[in-house]
Amino acid sequence: QKEVEQDPGPLSVPEGAIVSLNCTYSNSAFQYFMWYRQYSRKGPELLMYTYSSGNKEDGRFTAQVDKSSKYISLFIRDSQPSDSATYLCAMSAIDDYKLSFGAGTTVTVRA
Amino acid sequence: DTGVSQNPRHKITKRGQNVTFRCDPISEHNRLYWYRQTLGQGPEFLTYFQNEAQLEKSRLLSDRFSAERPKGSFSTLEIQRTEQGDSAMYLCASSFLDGYTFGSGTRLTVV
Repeated sequence: QKEVEQDPGPLSVPEGAIVSLNCTYSNSAFQYFMWYRQYSRKGPELLMYTYSSGNKEDGRFTAQVDKSSKYISLFIRDSQPSDSATYLCAMSAIDDYKLSFGAGTTVTVRA
Repeated sequence: DTGVSQNPRHKITKRGQNVTFRCDPISEHNRLYWYRQTLGQGPEFLTYFQNEAQLEKSRLLSDRFSAERPKGSFSTLEIQRTEQGDSAMYLCASSFLDGYTFGSGTRLTVV
């Protein structure tokens, strides 16, 4: 079993819909949680960075971390066609600089 | 230079040949990472440097792989005697404190 499991998708939603993305993990040492967006043939781009449990909001993006359930989520409100990409969750332990990634969820927002 | 630069963008090589990739990180970043990403998967950690010191290597990094970061600036990743299973996107990232910045990757195809 992988350390980080991500809902595989793909997801196809109409423009303006809320996109919900989820990951679960098994390593209780993980303290830093990130979401990356990756466009085709590009490297991942950091979207959200959170430490420990709680919510963080940045514009149309909200990241949630529930350490008790080992579950993290990313919500995209008012989705736009430009949000069409693969979204990767990633996490790391304190003082451990390497990241463990989920396999990614490909999202298509239909105009 | 506002990003992480990787060269070449694409490399096609015959099985058994050696290949070398280069990564130029963001200049003020002291940490540099190499990851490998195959189709439909998230990036997998290979190795990382703090300045010129290689501090951690994944078990994925077989003896055929070697990475260097002379003088703590750019880094090279060499694969000797390439195999078809080495076909992947090789991603470089750099960081100073929190949050990686990834390059666009080098896509390797071994034929």
